[in-house]
Amino acid sequence: QVQLVESGGGVVQPGRSLRLSCAASGFTFTSYDMHWVRQTPGKGLEWVAVIYNDGSDKYYADSVKGRFTISRDNSKNTVHLQMDSLRAEDTALYYCTRDGLVLAGRNFDYWGQGALVTVSS
Amino acid sequence: QTVVTQEPSFSVSPGGTVTLTCGLNSGSVSKAHYPTWYQQTPGQAPRTLIYSTNIRSSGVPDRFSGSILGNKAALTITGAQADDESDYYCVLYVGSGISMFGGGTKLTVL
Repeated sequence: QVQLVESGGGVVQPGRSLRLSCAASGFTFTSYDMHWVRQTPGKGLEWVAVIYNDGSDKYYADSVKGRFTISRDNSKNTVHLQMDSLRAEDTALYYCTRDGLVLAGRNFDYWGQGALVTVSS
Repeated sequence: QTVVTQEPSFSVSPGGTVTLTCGLNSGSVSKAHYPTWYQQTPGQAPRTLIYSTNIRSSGVPDRFSGSILGNKAALTITGAQADDESDYYCVLYVGSGISMFGGGTKLTVL
C-alpha cells in the first residue's frame, strides 16, 4: 500500500534552517509528481511546492519562494524540503503528498502523517 | 494577488442538500483550473472527494458531486449525513505550476 512518512520536523529559531524528508513506498515513485502542503495550527491548508516526477521542474508558493527548496532522490524514493530563513509564520504541520494524476490536473491522493515545524525564539 | 475564496461556514440539516463554492478573486473558475475538493476531519489528513471538477474519488459516496456553477466551482452534498460535518477545502491550479487552496468551509450538520 502507498505510504508517505515525513521526518525532520522540530523547533527552530527564526532565521535558521530545517530539512524535511518524506520516504515513499508502495508505488512507482518515478511516475508521480510530489508536493508539500502545510497547515498552520487550527487554520487552513496552504500549497507549498511541487517537484515533477523526474525532478525537471519545481514550483513554489510565493510565500516560500527563494527560501525553500524542494528536491527528490528517485534512487531512494525520497523527497525533501530544505527550509531556510525560517519565519514565525512558517510554523505549521507539513504534509508530503502524492499527485495521483499522471496527466493533466492535480489530485493529492495520498498524504503523510505530517511533520510539525515550530519556528520560535 | 490571486486568492481562492470559499464560504467560511455553512449549515445544513440532516438529509438536506448544500452547495459549497470555490471562486477566484481575479475572475472565473473553469475546468482549466482542475478544481479539486478535499474533506478534512480534526486530526486527520485531507481526503479527496472530487478532482478535475467532477470526478468522484474512489470510495466517495455518490451524494458528493462537483460542477462549475456560474463563475465558481461547486461541491454539492445531496442528502447530508451527520458524518459529513467536516472542513471542506477546494484547490485550484492557477497556472505556472502553482496550486492554491481556498480558506476552507466548516460544514455543520444540524
